[in-house]
Amino acid sequence: TQLLEQSPQFLSIQEGENLTVYCNSSSVFSSLQWYRQEPGEGPVLLVTVVTGGEVKKLKRLTFQFGDARKDSSLHITAAQTGDTGLYLCAGARGTSYDKVIFGPGTSLSVIP
Amino acid sequence: DAGVIQSPRHEVTEMGQEVTLRCKPISGHDYLFWYRQTMMRGLELLIYFNNNVPIDDSGMPEDRFSAKMPNASFSTLKIQPSEPRDSAVYFCASSPGTSTSGELFFGEGSRLTVL
Repeated sequence: TQLLEQSPQFLSIQEGENLTVYCNSSSVFSSLQWYRQEPGEGPVLLVTVVTGGEVKKLKRLTFQFGDARKDSSLHITAAQTGDTGLYLCAGARGTSYDKVIFGPGTSLSVIP
Repeated sequence: DAGVIQSPRHEVTEMGQEVTLRCKPISGHDYLFWYRQTMMRGLELLIYFNNNVPIDDSGMPEDRFSAKMPNASFSTLKIQPSEPRDSAVYFCASSPGTSTSGELFFGEGSRLTVL
């Protein structure tokens, strides 16, 4: 059973388009992180959100944490080929690291 | 600054052989993690250490897996004997560990193929 679900699983879009990917759970998280993983590399942290309703922006990327702290979204404006990768969300359900769980990821392909 | 360093990057072995994966965390990081990534199960936490002491190994699949951290700059994950279902990418990560909302710094992974 996936405690963290991500949708869509795969996404292929043209350069310049906008997109949103989602991370959902029935559990409440104390914090949630988004990572991007490129082929052959490890995940790299993009952002951490900790407050319900929080919105953070990182250039063309906008992250939102749901009011109830059970879900999150990542919106990319005017996607570029460099945005291609696997986007993983990770939720912390407590103060110990074994309570951090990763979602299955959304694989994004931006076509020139 | 050097990141988390893992070796080997790729390993192909035959069923029944012993496999040892190595990790050098970022200097000064108190936490070290071993994860396994597969298409079917995604990223799974196998074990993590705090100040070289194993804190939680409940994610280790079975007795064939063992991990050690003899000092602050080195850790190993050993599989003996290896089986085809162990084929995966194994990641080591480290963290300063101020809180669970802190960043995990991942290595580039070790891709293991067991034939």
